[in-house]
Amino acid sequence: DAGVTQSPTHLIKTRGQQVTLRCSPISGHKSVSWYQQVLGQGPQFIFQYYEKEERGRGNFPDRFSARQFPNYSSELNVNALLLGDSALYLCASMTGATYNEQFFGPGTRLTVL
Amino acid sequence: KNEVEQSPQNLTAQEGEFITINCSYSVGISALHWLQQHPGGGIVSLFMLSSGKKKHGRLIATINIQEKHSSLHITASHPRDSAVYICAVRSNTGNQFYFGTGTSLTVIP
Repeated sequence: DAGVTQSPTHLIKTRGQQVTLRCSPISGHKSVSWYQQVLGQGPQFIFQYYEKEERGRGNFPDRFSARQFPNYSSELNVNALLLGDSALYLCASMTGATYNEQFFGPGTRLTVL
Repeated sequence: KNEVEQSPQNLTAQEGEFITINCSYSVGISALHWLQQHPGGGIVSLFMLSSGKKKHGRLIATINIQEKHSSLHITASHPRDSAVYICAVRSNTGNQFYFGTGTSLTVIP
């Protein structure tokens, strides 16, 4: 069975641009969460979606948005990119909304120049 | 102030040593996770626990809900255990996830 997949693997953008990151959960998993990991730090929670509805939101500005599609895949959008948005963006899926083990994707490395 | 604190930040051990990584948290939780992250970024979930103790191979995780503390133990450590170990908690309010900054473990042959 395929694990959580993310695309693209790497991405280079310039300040002010917009970026869309994609995540496909494990088959049968209905929850997708997004995390940002800046180099040298632990991940920070951005969003959780379950059954296409937002179930949790971290302390990130409105430039960050996400959505989940009927097939449970998800997109994370970041507008007006800043240098500080450079990070590894991780997606994780699980079967339910809570109380379940999370399975992480390999991440998308975003560099903002 | 971080909701999740880990110690030590860095740890170097000789192969075969018994290793303990500690995690303290300040929020009410529904579950605590121990994660392993290898260079390059991939994260693997090792344990999810809300009480007591879990064991998987050479790894043991314990949690004390009253003291808001968890430990990850590695017995008979091996160089392939070298990685960053991250403690994360799911809060029982607001459905938030909080992560520690990780413990970088290096096991020397």
